[in-house]
Amino acid sequence: QVQLVESGGGVVQPGRSLRLSCAASGFTFSGYGMHWVRQAPGKGLEWVAVIWSDGSKRYYTDSLKGRFTISRDNSMNTLSLHMNSLIAEDTAVYYCARHFSSGTLDSWGQGTLVTVSS
Amino acid sequence: QSALTQPPSASGSPGQSVTISCTGTSSDVGAYNSVSWYQQHPGKAPKLMIYEVNKRPSGVPDRFSGSKSGNTASLTVSGLQGEDEADYYCCSYAGITNVLFGGGTKLTVL
Repeated sequence: QVQLVESGGGVVQPGRSLRLSCAASGFTFSGYGMHWVRQAPGKGLEWVAVIWSDGSKRYYTDSLKGRFTISRDNSMNTLSLHMNSLIAEDTAVYYCARHFSSGTLDSWGQGTLVTVSS
Repeated sequence: QSALTQPPSASGSPGQSVTISCTGTSSDVGAYNSVSWYQQHPGKAPKLMIYEVNKRPSGVPDRFSGSKSGNTASLTVSGLQGEDEADYYCCSYAGITNVLFGGGTKLTVL
């Protein structure tokens, strides 16, 4: 079955960088677009970014202002999110999710918690 | 773009039906038949319940249904059960560079 496992979260100081990973299994990873979605503590879901199945296109939510970069390695079945210049407002659980169709994310990982704090 | 608008809470007794609304604009909900709904229990990952307005993934009970009229989509849960108590989020495609979520609705089974 589809399995997505995020890793890389932790406590990081403001202004520092962090890289999240999502290991995919149980499906043909190279055939699917992939998303990152985050959820601040006690808050709702916020879409972060999407990458095409072949990595040719990437899109981000406007509020990130270029601080995050989504990437993938189809040979390793891995999705990544590079986060730079972290601020307190980036504190959230970060989920990777599989793209099924426009506006549909059909499988989600369990999430990894990022805490930005001095 | 702003998040989609959902009521913060909804409730119903076991066996009853409850409907949760999700209001967007003519640029998102109204423009595409690409509305999905997710169920999230505390501490758990979201789970897809409805996609493309009214389609149910395999394994989702037919007590869950979706619809859309204009800029507003709706999720109806019929025959409420205790396990349905959770947060529910709507989501809409909003163009090639944008996916929007609603603020979430906490469903309480009385």
